[in-house]
Amino acid sequence: DAKTTQPPSMDCAEGRAANLPCNHSTISGNEYVYWYRQIHSQGPQYIIHGLKNNETNEMASLIITEDRKSSTLILPHATLRDTAVYYCIVKGSGTYKYIFGTGTRLKVLA
Amino acid sequence: DAGVIQSPRHEVTEMGQEVTLRCKPISGHDYLFWYRQTMMRGLELLIYFNNNVPIDDSGMPEDRFSAKMPNASFSTLKIQPSEPRDSAVYFCASSFRAGWDYGYTFGSGTRLTVV
Repeated sequence: DAKTTQPPSMDCAEGRAANLPCNHSTISGNEYVYWYRQIHSQGPQYIIHGLKNNETNEMASLIITEDRKSSTLILPHATLRDTAVYYCIVKGSGTYKYIFGTGTRLKVLA
Repeated sequence: DAGVIQSPRHEVTEMGQEVTLRCKPISGHDYLFWYRQTMMRGLELLIYFNNNVPIDDSGMPEDRFSAKMPNASFSTLKIQPSEPRDSAVYFCASSFRAGWDYGYTFGSGTRLTVV
């Protein structure tokens, strides 16, 4: 599975959009990009995933560049409850194993 | 749906004792995963099952660790004998067969402290 690179930490003002980048320059054609988050003391929570098209659900939007070498998770109106560690994971369709990196610690500020 | 249920939430035990962690996956999910999380190593996959059969246990640190899934609604992770370096949060997660499209559902974890 391709490796990912994320900034270790970010701050975002409450009510503003949080844009979390992820670099996955070695991604291959059948690998998906997944995003999870982990709020303190809880288990990781699935957010969204995509292959090459942009995706949106009730939690977030995922923008994948045309060359698929990077992506951005967008939380459109961040709240204090969005403070968490966000993990970007690349995983092939034929495997069921997620390899979690160190993620981005997002702090939403009041 | 109650989600993935893990017990106990906290466990404190003495070195050398046997520890058993329990997990009830979401009904209908046919994949079950055990992860361990520490500050030093982050989230590590220990083992996963498909239809109650262990598929990949390459992440199990050593023979002191064992996991079983006797039926579709129950799994255990046992450490015998326990050591202080086993102190961590242990997460169980489950997924539907096509669940790689929708992600795993994680439990709330068991925080294990071995003294």
